[in-house]
Amino acid sequence: EVQMVESGGDLVKPGGSLRLSCAASGFAFSSLWMTWVRQPPGKGLEWVARIKSKTHGETTDYAAPVKDRFTIFRDDSKNTLYLEMNSLNTEDTALYYCTTGRNNGYEYWGQGTLVTVSS
Amino acid sequence: DIQMTQSPSSLSASVGDRVTITCRTSQSINNYLNWYQHKPGKAPKLLIYDASSLQSGVPSRFSGSGSGTDFTLTLSSLQPEDFATYFCQQSYNTPLTFGPGTNVDI
Repeated sequence: EVQMVESGGDLVKPGGSLRLSCAASGFAFSSLWMTWVRQPPGKGLEWVARIKSKTHGETTDYAAPVKDRFTIFRDDSKNTLYLEMNSLNTEDTALYYCTTGRNNGYEYWGQGTLVTVSS
Repeated sequence: DIQMTQSPSSLSASVGDRVTITCRTSQSINNYLNWYQHKPGKAPKLLIYDASSLQSGVPSRFSGSGSGTDFTLTLSSLQPEDFATYFCQQSYNTPLTFGPGTNVDI
């Protein structure tokens, strides 16, 4: 059974930092490209960052609003995906999902972890 | 970045209705278009990938079509469990943008 469990979400002050984790099981984690997607309160889905597999050089891509502040990385030995978030601002408040898929769509999702940025 | 639009933004329908949602992209993405269903408190669910391929386990009343810049998600006969928000997403190039969503309610 596929499981993806996010953790690390918290209430943090503007300018603060946070690291999210996503523990995965039930599929070939190391071979898949992994992605973070977020949903701000009352808004739609926003693609945040992606990391390719080691076979594809672990290349990373970021959405413009988070580039240079967020870092996505993975530990295939632990089947875990991470998102290091720095210089957080109120617009980063959202439910953060990790997701992946074997085809072009995202078929596996976690339940999300909530990040709230507020003073 | 590729811009996504969806229409309508919301619609009211009844069980048994045929529902069509449209997604348009700001540039051609061939068939790299996915559709998701999202319900409050749940993870999004992949319905259609590559514009018209039905994800395993998804009922056949869902179908997708289109290529280039114009795409359609069709629900042939709306069921009670289908009331949700539907998002399109392009997987052509990064950032892999989502559409703004279409809320389907009673």
